[in-house]
Amino acid sequence: SQELEQSPQSLIVQEGKNLTINCTSSKTLYGLYWYKQKYGEGLIFLMMLQKGGEEKSHEKITAKLDEKKQQSSLHITASQPSHAGIYLCGADMSGSYQLTFGKGTKLSVIP
Amino acid sequence: KAGVTQTPRYLIKTRGQQVTLSCSPISGHRSVSWYQQTPGQGLQFLFEYFSETQRNKGNFPGRFSGRQFSNSRSEMNVSTLELGDSALYLCASSLVYNEQFFGPGTRLTVL
Repeated sequence: SQELEQSPQSLIVQEGKNLTINCTSSKTLYGLYWYKQKYGEGLIFLMMLQKGGEEKSHEKITAKLDEKKQQSSLHITASQPSHAGIYLCGADMSGSYQLTFGKGTKLSVIP
Repeated sequence: KAGVTQTPRYLIKTRGQQVTLSCSPISGHRSVSWYQQTPGQGLQFLFEYFSETQRNKGNFPGRFSGRQFSNSRSEMNVSTLELGDSALYLCASSLVYNEQFFGPGTRLTVL
């Protein structure tokens, strides 16, 4: 099974709606990272979470880390077409510079 | 500040050939990591270099190798190319522990 599970795999929402993407680890998390990727392009760094209970926000995107559940969620408020893309969570599971990534969540926002 | 740059952006090779990809990190970043992204396996860690030394290595065959120069620029080499090596190769640089910034990637197609 995957060490880092993301759900859902894909999401289609209407513009203006809120949405949540989840990322669950099978191992202890030393750090959890969220990235956004446009198809075939590089990853855009969104947020890094390191402490249990930590919550960070940037514009309309909020990410939280539940250390006990080894889970993180990414919440987008009032989605816009510019939010469309693939969202990837990456985890440091060994205390090194090696990140393990989930399979990604493909988000489509319909105007 | 300029971001991570990767060259070339696109590459077409035939089976059995070898290829070298280049990555220039963000100025001041000394850690460079390489990842392979395929539709089936997702993003997978290849290796990480810091101050010209390989610190971490993923689970890839010895045909995949890399190096880092004194100016932190890095190259990765794949010898005896196989069809399955077709992928997007992403490079990431880091200053602070594990806050990795990715380049646009090199898309390698093996025919």
